[in-house]
Amino acid sequence: DSGVTQTPKHLITATGQRVTLRCSPRSGDLSVYWYQQSLDQGLQFLIQYYNGEERAKGNILERFSAQQFPDLHSELNLSSLELGDSALYFCASSVVGLSTDTQYFGPGTRLTVL
Amino acid sequence: LAKTTQPISMDSYEGQEVNITCSHNNIATNDYITWYQQFPSQGPRFIIQGYKTKVTNEVASLFIPADRKSSTLSLPRVSLSDTAVYYCLVEPPGGGATNKLIFGTGTLLAVQP
Repeated sequence: DSGVTQTPKHLITATGQRVTLRCSPRSGDLSVYWYQQSLDQGLQFLIQYYNGEERAKGNILERFSAQQFPDLHSELNLSSLELGDSALYFCASSVVGLSTDTQYFGPGTRLTVL
Repeated sequence: LAKTTQPISMDSYEGQEVNITCSHNNIATNDYITWYQQFPSQGPRFIIQGYKTKVTNEVASLFIPADRKSSTLSLPRVSLSDTAVYYCLVEPPGGGATNKLIFGTGTLLAVQP
């Protein structure tokens, strides 16, 4: 158990819909990262927050957005969903957000878009 | 241009030592080398990190030659539960725009009885 929690574990929805994925970092960690893992794209970095502020951006689509709240939990919002958005979405957290920090990954949310 | 190159897959047997090599020819002076392990449908898990020479922890050893253009993750006496994908990452320590972890394709290690 990494100490990072993600909800829900599974999510099944239809194309065009919008969903919100939630992540609670380890106690004391200030930085949160979101990753997408699909069969054909591998593990892709989406976005990073540090203490409520966006710190780094990866290949995140404009239909996707995220935020980190004052209590440090984070939400990833996915809208206008397409079949290709079906994937495992991981959240990770680290103490301060340096690349050399150990990232602790949550169990993931499996999103299926039908 | 990929930052790291690893074998796509490796096979081993229980009890053997496994060495997975990662090539990073364009490694920068301040880059660190980090390895993560991922089991199916689980998030990656940190294994080990190093900058130069050798690093050892309770799980693995990391060997980095003087030119730092490659690194080798060594897993002693593997068991069936070590079957997983192993990722090699090369990243600078700083924050800002460069603070992204790039996971390559990884190496699928299959341990057989």
